[in-house]
Amino acid sequence: QVHLQQSGAGLLKPSETLSLTCAVSGWAFNDYYWGWIRQPPGKGLEWIGEVHHTGSTNYTPSLKSRVSMSADTSKNQFSLRLTSVTAADTAMYYCVRGRGWPDREYDFWGQGTLVTVSS
Amino acid sequence: DIQMTQSPTSLSASVGDRVTITCRASQTIIRSLNWYQQTPGKAPKLLIYATSSLHNGVPSRFTGSGSGTDFTLTISDLQPEDFAAYYCQQTYSLPFTFGPGTNVDIK
Repeated sequence: QVHLQQSGAGLLKPSETLSLTCAVSGWAFNDYYWGWIRQPPGKGLEWIGEVHHTGSTNYTPSLKSRVSMSADTSKNQFSLRLTSVTAADTAMYYCVRGRGWPDREYDFWGQGTLVTVSS
Repeated sequence: DIQMTQSPTSLSASVGDRVTITCRASQTIIRSLNWYQQTPGKAPKLLIYATSSLHNGVPSRFTGSGSGTDFTLTISDLQPEDFAAYYCQQTYSLPFTFGPGTNVDIK
């Protein structure tokens, strides 16, 4: 069974950088996409992007200038970095495993990390 | 970006009811459509992928159908654990966008 364990800071000030890591256990890291999805309080889901184990990435255009994702195959973990955060970035952030090509489905989710941006 | 809409926004139903949720894409997505279920305070769970394939362990009372731009999720014989929010997601074209969600609550 795949397990995704998230870690990272939950409280940030405006203009700081959000940094989250997701450790993968219970399944091979290779041959999957590893992504991030967020959900503002009381709102719907927003796909942020994904990273393949080869390092290739896909990002949502609205965040592309501020987001970066990376994968560390030696540690079976992947990371999200979002720069210059504002209150609009306050959300629950989920790491996910994506399978399939070209279609994708996100079949395993982390527990979520609530990131609050406040001065 | 492909825009996804869902209807209704919310619905009230009783245990044992049959419920249908509709998802519409702003352009054709062939059959690249997933459904997720989210209960309060929990991470979403994959229910159905590629329009009609049931994810491992998902009860057969959940069915998905559709193609092109119009899709449906049907829950037959609604159970207490099915009261949740449901989201559709297209993975035909990047960025992979979600619908706004449908809340199913107890009548």
